[in-house]
Amino acid sequence: DAKTTQPPSMDCAEGRAANLPCNHSTISGNEYVYWYRQIHSQGPQYIIHGLKNNETNEMASLIITEDRKSSTLILPHATLRDTAVYYCIVREITGNQFYFGTGTSLTVIP
Amino acid sequence: NAGVTQTPKFQVLKTGQSMTLQCAQDMNHEYMSWYRQDPGMGLRLIHYSVGAGITDQGEVPNGYNVSRSTTEDFPLRLLSAAPSQTSVYFCASSPPEGEQFFGPGTRLTVL
Repeated sequence: DAKTTQPPSMDCAEGRAANLPCNHSTISGNEYVYWYRQIHSQGPQYIIHGLKNNETNEMASLIITEDRKSSTLILPHATLRDTAVYYCIVREITGNQFYFGTGTSLTVIP
Repeated sequence: NAGVTQTPKFQVLKTGQSMTLQCAQDMNHEYMSWYRQDPGMGLRLIHYSVGAGITDQGEVPNGYNVSRSTTEDFPLRLLSAAPSQTSVYFCASSPPEGEQFFGPGTRLTVL
């Protein structure tokens, strides 16, 4: 059973913020939310992860709802190079198995 | 550091042939994993290892074998290739409870 649900595709205008939602309603207290992206057919690239607090790094921000049942990845100023498939993954704190869904294909439009 | 390396980049096999996909990492990571990605799909976990001498099955282990004799290497063996194993294969490594680093992938076609 899929642990996360994401929209299959989204568009975003270049320079605008891209907000990618993820539903993980069955998440447990010992599971992280991770985000990866895959550009063309390259290996997935780590973006950010969080447990229950919002997180920010040089690439993106992660907003996790208070009940932890959903989250949003925010790319603050999308560029054409951000066009990729974005995967939201739920992972146990003590385990190291990552289960990918089908992700969201983000297209940044000039 | 080279990170995670995979060889070969491309491979064509005939049905029934065997081969080994190589994966190596130079980050001294304990955890290593193998995934396959079919067209238009996300990655699916084949096998993983939490350290030298320890391996376990993921979501789709049938038709594949692994071993982990050293920290650095985690080869994936196809004993008798089938067309259903045509896919892109990714290897990844990570420290315990850390992010996974992925290799560039091996594109395998089984005729």
